[in-house]
Amino acid sequence: GENVEQHPSTLSVQEGDSAVIKCTYSDSASNYFPWYKQELGKRPQLIIDIRSNVGEKKDQRIAVTLNKTAKHFSLHITETQPEDSAVYFCAASMKGSTLGRLYFGRGTQLTVWP
Amino acid sequence: GAVVSQHPSRVICKSGTSVKIECRSLDFQATTMFWYRQFPKQSLMLMATSNEGSKATYEQGVEKDKFLINHASLTLSTLTVTSAHPEDSSFYICSARGPGGAGNTIYFGEGSWLTVV
Repeated sequence: GENVEQHPSTLSVQEGDSAVIKCTYSDSASNYFPWYKQELGKRPQLIIDIRSNVGEKKDQRIAVTLNKTAKHFSLHITETQPEDSAVYFCAASMKGSTLGRLYFGRGTQLTVWP
Repeated sequence: GAVVSQHPSRVICKSGTSVKIECRSLDFQATTMFWYRQFPKQSLMLMATSNEGSKATYEQGVEKDKFLINHASLTLSTLTVTSAHPEDSSFYICSARGPGGAGNTIYFGEGSWLTVV
């Protein structure tokens, strides 16, 4: 099956700085890569996603890049704010009959210091 | 947008008893739903894939007789933790793909905190 690796496990930045979280995946059949933000005890919230036919996608302060050849994708958050502090998960989803099955990375605890 | 609702949000049960968690797609039909378990400070681990009208598919290492899944309708999947033990205490969360097929967003329920005492 798919294996998603995520780094770093913890990330601390000063307010206003940028944060980058990186993920790799193992199966070239994966074609959908969402990023989730999860606050303690709550459901994961989709913040941005990218499909394998696109190399980069941006939504205000958040951007995601995808390198299919290298099988890695990254989340970029610019102008970080304290409210960005949370756990961020990358995930990959494969083509096939089981639509919606996600393989998650281990998560990154992002702390933004004011 | 599509909504997935999960109930209860928190439940405490005694060791040895069973507890049922419901996952509903409120405004769309979901032939497939997914159940995840998340221990504190860890990632979401897929337990099983719930298929409407057929048996669930369990991930390796997940006991199907302990975690009973029923997907009797297109809008409801249930997870029953049988003979619960303290080590089953965790955050359980379901998900479903939104309407429209493969290109659409995956939606999560609110999650259920299970504490076994």
